[in-house]
Amino acid sequence: SQQGEEDPQALSIQEGENATMNCSYKTSINNLQWYRQNSGRGLVHLILIRSNEREKHSGRLRVTLDTSKKSSSLLITASRAADTASYFCATAPSRTDKLIFGTGTRLQVFP
Amino acid sequence: NAGVTQTPKFQVLKTGQSMTLQCAQDMNHEYMSWYRQDPGMGLRLIHYSVGAGITDQGEVPNGYNVSRSTTEDFPLRLLSAAPSQTSVYFCASSYGGNTDTQYFGPGTRLTVL
Repeated sequence: SQQGEEDPQALSIQEGENATMNCSYKTSINNLQWYRQNSGRGLVHLILIRSNEREKHSGRLRVTLDTSKKSSSLLITASRAADTASYFCATAPSRTDKLIFGTGTRLQVFP
Repeated sequence: NAGVTQTPKFQVLKTGQSMTLQCAQDMNHEYMSWYRQDPGMGLRLIHYSVGAGITDQGEVPNGYNVSRSTTEDFPLRLLSAAPSQTSVYFCASSYGGNTDTQYFGPGTRLTVL
């Protein structure tokens, strides 16, 4: 089945640096979502971007969507140690009622 | 609001045993779903419900049963546990459907010996 694939699988940065994660997918979508999962916890929704949108912001988060390249990126600016978590993209393929999750990017932010 | 709650947090079963994972939400969401999370595989949809009395299969439904008698509750039943069902199970609810924003519970870590 179609799946969003995050890149890189793991990312380590220092506090204050920016973190960029990418997600690629295979078929047309209705929307793409990003979630965060802290160790041992449930997933928390961050941003939903629809197929007719190119960019969305939420606080220190910026998500872009390029439907021609079938890719999305999540940028976390001025990262903090509390941003340490796994980040997942989830795609809603067109003409389906399913949400397909990728395998995630593990982000480690060092103080 | 408590959001989505799940019990138990941890469970160890022997092969062949049965059990029910509980899930409840207090947001009056019509849509609820169960996912399992395995290392390196992302989340996979097991079963979902679009409202009380209506359920349907997801990507990996075998070995699991669900029912939805109320809007609030969506239990997941393992009929005869197998080691392949060792996983972390997440319940989620949504206002707008399976492709809308999902609100996840804290998860149940299940080990089948």
